[in-house]
Amino acid sequence: DQQVKQNSPSLSVQEGRISILNCDYTNSMFDYFLWYKKYPAEGPTFLISISSIKDKNEDGRFTVFLNKSAKHLSLHIVPSQPGDSAVYFCAASAWGSQGNLIFGKGTKLSVKP
Amino acid sequence: DAGVIQSPRHEVTEMGQEVTLRCKPISGHNSLFWYRQTMMRGLELLIYFNNNVPIDDSGMPEDRFSAKMPNASFSTLKIQPSEPRDSAVYFCASSTGGIPYGYTFGSGTRLTVV
Repeated sequence: DQQVKQNSPSLSVQEGRISILNCDYTNSMFDYFLWYKKYPAEGPTFLISISSIKDKNEDGRFTVFLNKSAKHLSLHIVPSQPGDSAVYFCAASAWGSQGNLIFGKGTKLSVKP
Repeated sequence: DAGVIQSPRHEVTEMGQEVTLRCKPISGHNSLFWYRQTMMRGLELLIYFNNNVPIDDSGMPEDRFSAKMPNASFSTLKIQPSEPRDSAVYFCASSTGGIPYGYTFGSGTRLTVV
């Protein structure tokens, strides 16, 4: 049973518009959430994170929102750029798991010029 | 720092052969993780080490898979015998331990078993 779910395998957005990537989780013990970005033939790279004590974290064009009651988080990219085209993975970690990350299956974002 | 270094980048082997994937973590990182990426299952954690000691290998799919970390600067993931369903991209990552955002991934090894 998947503990971290990204139900949209792909998303296509026009350049300059907002991209919203969604992620749901089932384990209430998760207390830290991260987004990773992956280009073809490269390993995932850390993008942004949020602790469960917050409901929003912003870094430039990237904002992550956390809704603990709904066990849902989302990544907003505004404005979207063609260079943002990549696979985005949502990941979660639980206290005491020694940093063990559980990943979703990823969402492939395509930003069209 | 050169980051996490994995070798080989690509491996094509015949079913039944032994395959060994290698990883050099970032110096000073005391946790090392092996992940496998497939279309069906996404990124799955296979095993992780803390201070060279295997902590959780519950993600290792079968006894055909084994992993070692003989010292802080080297780890191997071995598949013997390999099967076509093992075809995937295998990633190694390292971190300073207990700090999720400290994960750094290698570029991966694309394994094809024919």
